Amino acid sequence: KQEVTQIPAALSVPEGENLVLNCSFTDSAIYNLQWFRQDPGKGLTSLLLIQSSQREQTSGRLNASLDKSSGRSTLYIAASQPGDSATYLCAVKGNTGFQKLVFGTGTRLLVSP
Amino acid sequence: NAGVTQTPKFQVLKTGQSMTLQCAQDMNHEYMSWYRQDPGMGLRLIHYSVGAGITDQGEVPNGYNVSRSTTEDFPLRLLSAAPSQTSVYFCASSYLMGFDTEAFFGQGTRLTVV
Repeated sequence: KQEVTQIPAALSVPEGENLVLNCSFTDSAIYNLQWFRQDPGKGLTSLLLIQSSQREQTSGRLNASLDKSSGRSTLYIAASQPGDSATYLCAVKGNTGFQKLVFGTGTRLLVSP
Repeated sequence: NAGVTQTPKFQVLKTGQSMTLQCAQDMNHEYMSWYRQDPGMGLRLIHYSVGAGITDQGEVPNGYNVSRSTTEDFPLRLLSAAPSQTSVYFCASSYLMGFDTEAFFGQGTRLTVV
């Protein structure tokens, strides 16, 4: 059974810092990995999707990497801003069965001005 | 560009009542799914569908029914609400196959059962 772990559970940084969020998964047989952002009381917003054949994806100040063999992904946020404060979730999709996304419990990020 | 639309946004039910959470998507996605989100437990899959007329159970299906009569709609029915079903419910959709299977989520329905 796939299990996804995110460390740390919470992170507080001053504005301007570069930071790394970690995601690990136990079964390397994945189809893709997706990073989401969730603001309090809101839905999930997709940030980056990495296919199993890819090593990284970039969008603006965000960079996500994937090391399938070691079961790890990182989300790098450059020059953090208070508006980045949110919970960040990673989810993996297995390459068997039908599209089931398995989620981690998230990292709650607070960027203070 | 509506994406995934869920209604209602908030609902309070009494124990034993039934209701339907609505989900609609306008992206012609084959795959649709329902998750519940509880504190400390992450999102867990309730039911999913790979196309009209095809549904299957996820991780926590008990107490819920689904049907998929059209590509666009995937309602979730609570048969007899229980306090344990107090949660935030999310509907998601994506393409089933290929390179672009990014999942899109609705804004959620916050359900309280008293």
